[in-house]
Amino acid sequence: EAQVTQNPRYLITVTGKKLTVTCSQNMNHEYMSWYRQDPGLGLRQIYYSMNVEVTDKGDVPEGYKVSRKEKRNFPLILESPSPNQTSLYFCASSFTFVRGGEGYTFGSGTRLTVV
Amino acid sequence: QKEVEQNSGPLSVPEGAIASLNCTYSDRGSQSFFWYRQYSGKSPELIMFIYSNGDKEDGRFTAQLNKASQYVYLLIRDSQPSDSATYLCAGAKNSGGYQKVTFGTGTKLQVIP
Repeated sequence: EAQVTQNPRYLITVTGKKLTVTCSQNMNHEYMSWYRQDPGLGLRQIYYSMNVEVTDKGDVPEGYKVSRKEKRNFPLILESPSPNQTSLYFCASSFTFVRGGEGYTFGSGTRLTVV
Repeated sequence: QKEVEQNSGPLSVPEGAIASLNCTYSDRGSQSFFWYRQYSGKSPELIMFIYSNGDKEDGRFTAQLNKASQYVYLLIRDSQPSDSATYLCAGAKNSGGYQKVTFGTGTKLQVIP
């Protein structure tokens, strides 16, 4: 089954404790992206990747890191989480957006709470 | 001004009616547009995409794009209670070789049985 797999689904952590949210896709997609979703603010892009070893900042990258060492994996790293990073996170992937393309396929989400 | 704007709703329609959701965008460089459906607590699911002016139909769903007026519509015919969800509009534009996708904040649709 074609899918984007995120783990964990739920995570409660303490301020300053490094964490990684994993994301893996089995569709051989080039584009991958991380979004956070907050009430009233919608989906905001954190980082994106156009291919292996090619990553760039989105609209809200502060406090986050990513890496793309393999095409299928795109982990999100919070080196020192803070309470304002409490949010619902989505990983997404796509083959192309040219003339509409396929659009993003989203993972099931990770609800992160930082206390 | 937000790049993609939607009325947050909720938009309430009776079962069987046509639900009309709209979205406006500010960047004329946006080339492709997407409608996603998101049930509460779930991930967004792609319903339709459109990149040419005019209408595009898929089952009960019709997307309309008017580039001159910079709006995108989603029409849902014969609305069902299962259509109750938040609908996200998104636009994609070329940004340094990458198709950057920007989402609106979503419109909540309630279909009343």
